[in-house]
Parts: sequence; C-alpha cells; structure tokens
Amino acid sequence: QLQLQESGPGLVEPSETLSLTCTVSGGSIRSSNYYWGWIRQPPGKGLDYIGNIYYSGATYYNPSLKSRVTISVDTSKNQFSLKLTSVTAADTALYYCARLRSLPTGAFDIWGQGTMVTVSS
Amino acid sequence: DIQLTQSPSFLSASVGDRVTITCRASQGINHNLAWYQQKPGRAPKLLIYAASTLESGVPSRFSGSGSGTEFTLTISSLQPEDFATYYCQQVNGYVTFGPGTKVDI
Repeated sequence: QLQLQESGPGLVEPSETLSLTCTVSGGSIRSSNYYWGWIRQPPGKGLDYIGNIYYSGATYYNPSLKSRVTISVDTSKNQFSLKLTSVTAADTALYYCARLRSLPTGAFDIWGQGTMVTVSS
Repeated sequence: DIQLTQSPSFLSASVGDRVTITCRASQGINHNLAWYQQKPGRAPKLLIYAASTLESGVPSRFSGSGSGTEFTLTISSLQPEDFATYYCQQVNGYVTFGPGTKVDI
C-alpha cells in the first residue's frame, strides 16, 4: 500500500533553511485525484498546515508562512520537498508529509511517520 | 482566512460514554470538513471526511454531522483505544485545522 517517508536534517541553525523530502512508495505521485502536503506540529501543540502541491507543480501555501515556504515535486523520483527559509526556534516541530485527497473529500488520508526538526545553534 | 474552533478543548470521559465534540467554522464551508484522531507519538488518522462520511476501516461508533459552520463528531460508546486528541480540518481556500480536543479518562 502507499507509504510516505520524510527525510532530512534533524537540526537546523537559526536563520538557515530547513529542507525536507517526502518519498512516496507503493504508488505514483502523478495521480489526478491527490495533492501532496506538509503539516507540522510543535511539541505539545496542535497541527499547523504548511502547504501542498499537485504533481503538475501547482502549489498552495498557508498565508502565514508563504513568504518563507517553497514546496516542489520531482515526479521522476516520486518525491516532493519542503524548503522553509530564515528559520527560528518557533519552527521547531514534528514535520509530517501527507496525501491530500481532492474535493469533495478534501482530507489527508495517508501520513508519514513524521520527522522532528529542531532549530538551535 | 477560515478559522476553526473546537469545544471542549478537554473532555474527561469513561469507557462506554457517548462523547460529542463540536467544531465551528468562522465562515460557511458547506460539508468540507474532516475529523482526525491522534494518539501520542503517532501521526493523525483520518476518521471522517465530507462532514459525515466514515473513512474505510473506521469503527461505526464514530459518526459526524453538520454543514455550513457547525459540525459534530460523536463517539457512540467510548472504547479504551479512543482516548486520544481529535482535530477537525477544513479545506475551503486553504487548509486549516482546529486546535484539538483531548479526550482523557
């Protein structure tokens, strides 16, 4: 069955760029019915939507993060990636990648296990 | 921006109880609402989408209702494995999540 796996550094210095990749296995990222998203969860807090991408490259971002976020897709590798610039301690969180079913569902039905990213010098 | 609020934020319950969680949207979102369950150290699990459609494999004791701005998640008879945090989520415009409701013993 379809699985998602996040990868990337667990520690990022303040003001640097956080970079994560999500590898999709067991299925194709080139599906017309799905988007691919990033969600984060600061320790002890709730879920925070970052953005999502369609396999064509169309992107949708949380307005509060839009100036610092870039999500890209590499269909040849069945991967999509997140870049978050100018990070601060407030960006310390568990970062999840997930599959988003298009409307009328409009829900994240498959999630990666998450990867913890700490922003610290 | 469409904001979601949940009530209560914390709920103390016992096995066998009927539990209801409410999610309110700051604007009408038709039926575009989903519910998730999250246990400590685990990724969220989709329970319900389109306000009232049960995700495949989810027990029938979970149900959802509502439209527009007010939605509810009901657990008809709480089981030990249901103690968790529950989030609502909408996708009108862009995605937002509610702040969560922790269901504890």
